[in-house]
Amino acid sequence: DGGITQSPKYLFRKEGQNVTLSCEQNLNHDAMYWYRQDPGQGLRLIYYSQIVNDFQKGDIAEGYSVSREKKESFPLTVTSAQKNPTAFYLCASRGLTGSTNSYNEQFFGPGTRLTVL
Amino acid sequence: EDQVTQSPEALRLQEGESSSLNCSYTVSGLRGLFWYRQDPGKGPEFLFTLYSAGEEKEKERLKATLTKKESFLHITAPKPEDSATYLCAVRPRGTSYGKLTFGQGTILTVHP
Repeated sequence: DGGITQSPKYLFRKEGQNVTLSCEQNLNHDAMYWYRQDPGQGLRLIYYSQIVNDFQKGDIAEGYSVSREKKESFPLTVTSAQKNPTAFYLCASRGLTGSTNSYNEQFFGPGTRLTVL
Repeated sequence: EDQVTQSPEALRLQEGESSSLNCSYTVSGLRGLFWYRQDPGKGPEFLFTLYSAGEEKEKERLKATLTKKESFLHITAPKPEDSATYLCAVRPRGTSYGKLTFGQGTILTVHP
């Protein structure tokens, strides 16, 4: 079955530690995205990538880094520079779905909950 | 600046009690409006895309409608399994790479 996988489901980080969240998709989608979700707030865009080896900062990129070495993979690193990293992190992808005007939808993975100890 | 506001923040219904969720938006031209359902601790699940005013889409007990300033998600005779957070998002014209702006969501609880 095609879909988006994120791992781990839960992640704990100590102060001053970098951690990497995995996102893999087998939908053959070109674009991939990382969002952060905090209670009572909408999803906020961290980084996005349209093609391999290219990515752009979103609205809240400070303290985060990404890479896009393969079409199917878009890992997110939460660095020690991110002062308030506790949140629910969501990865999404987007591509042609075969029907008219269906290019726009983003499909989401199950999420990773990151907690700072 | 593009903005999306959802109301109410939370809605409690009895099973079978129909109601509507609102999504008001301010964008410089709309390329698409999206509705998602999110269960606790899970990623959002895509429901609908609406592209132009007057458009309607239905799926089981849900119907989404769109005007030039807002969208409604109508829930007819809801069941407890419809309980979830419903998210609205817009893609303004001219945005690169399919960037979406999300509202804060409406938490729907349906009691048996």
